[in-house]
Amino acid sequence: EPEVTQTPSHQVTQMGQEVILRCVPISNHLYFYWYRQILGQKVEFLVSFYNNEISEKSEIFDDQFSVERPDGSNFTLKIRSTKLEDSAMYFCASYRDPDTEAFFGQGTRLTVV
Amino acid sequence: RKEVEQDPGPFNVPEGATVAFNCTYSNSASQSFFWYRQDCRKEPKLLMSVYSSGNEDGRFTAQLNRASQYISLLIRDSKLSDSATYLCVVARPAGNMLTFGGGTRLMVKP
Repeated sequence: EPEVTQTPSHQVTQMGQEVILRCVPISNHLYFYWYRQILGQKVEFLVSFYNNEISEKSEIFDDQFSVERPDGSNFTLKIRSTKLEDSAMYFCASYRDPDTEAFFGQGTRLTVV
Repeated sequence: RKEVEQDPGPFNVPEGATVAFNCTYSNSASQSFFWYRQDCRKEPKLLMSVYSSGNEDGRFTAQLNRASQYISLLIRDSKLSDSATYLCVVARPAGNMLTFGGGTRLMVKP
């Protein structure tokens, strides 16, 4: 069964550093998303990406965050100048089209110390 | 009012029990509705979509009441492996962004 792959599974970084979280969506999918889940809280939408541009972003997704699809397969989330409150699970999801099921990656646990 | 609201639980039930979860949503323009299952520190996984006509998948039955903006999930004959957090999820028409409820935790005991 095709799956969304995220790397790394766990990232520990010092406050103020930049991190890049990587995702390989399912190959024929066209819609890509990042969500995050702070420990003990609900899953929150960050950003959606379609046709090589951001289609929607939440209030959380400020100038500290950026996304790109550099090579047609990877989909990355960059977090600049990380803060303690950025510690969370970050999930990538992809769809073939909006009426189909969203497939989630296994997540990257980001710990900012 | 929260966009998607669920009772956090936990619901502690014995094996074989029937358990029901409810969820309410605030955006009347919401178009698609789902129940996801999330195991501890894992990704959400789609359990089932929810349709106005109601739908059933084995021991699981989901119902949608658009007028009341209410979604339900019924689990019959609970198994130990059903222990997880059940997430009520709503999608808007545009962009299909998913809005998650906080989840209802289920613990099935022997």
